[in-house]
Amino acid sequence: ILNVEQSPQSLHVQEGDSTNFTCSFPSSNFYALHWYRWETAKSPEALFVMTLNGDEKKKGRISATLNTKEGYSYLYIKGSQPEDSATYLCAFSSSWSGNTPLVFGKGTRLSVIA
Amino acid sequence: DTGVSQDPRHKITKRGQNVTFRCDPISEHNRLYWYRQTLGQGPEFLTYFQNEAQLEKSRLLSDRFSAERPKGSFSTLEIQRTEQGDSAMYLCASSSSRGGGRQTQYFGPGTRLLVL
Repeated sequence: ILNVEQSPQSLHVQEGDSTNFTCSFPSSNFYALHWYRWETAKSPEALFVMTLNGDEKKKGRISATLNTKEGYSYLYIKGSQPEDSATYLCAFSSSWSGNTPLVFGKGTRLSVIA
Repeated sequence: DTGVSQDPRHKITKRGQNVTFRCDPISEHNRLYWYRQTLGQGPEFLTYFQNEAQLEKSRLLSDRFSAERPKGSFSTLEIQRTEQGDSAMYLCASSSSRGGGRQTQYFGPGTRLLVL
């Protein structure tokens, strides 16, 4: 059974603070790691698809890194804003399943306080 | 809006009733996925179509659940004889299979089901 762990489960930060979350996944048979942002009452929004060890991707104030050998990815948010408040999900696919079922973590719920 | 759409957005039903949800994927996507999210959990895979063929089903998908994608476009997910444990958010996603298997899955807003 593939297990994806995210930490912390939730956190509250002040506007302007930078923050980061962790996603841990099985290091064997790695295929891809996806990050999503899910705001309440909206569709989960794709942030990044990461495939290579050492990958680093950036989208505005959000960036992510990937270590497939040790099985973790970090998501960083620089200068958090209230609109960054959302649940951040990571999802893993193994080489066995290709890009079919994504195995999701439980998410990190971020609240940015103005 | 050319994203993934789902209908209805909310459904309240009584235990034992049948419900059906619809998903319209992004038009050029040939892959369509159904996931379910319960409180405190991440989305869990239910089933997946490539065009009209249902290629994979999770063990979560009991025989009360059936999904179809008759013309390779929209899909329906039916739950027969609903139980309180079926209460969840049902998410649909679509992707292209072109360019290899690492394509982004684009999600709809979900259908929230409450079984009383």
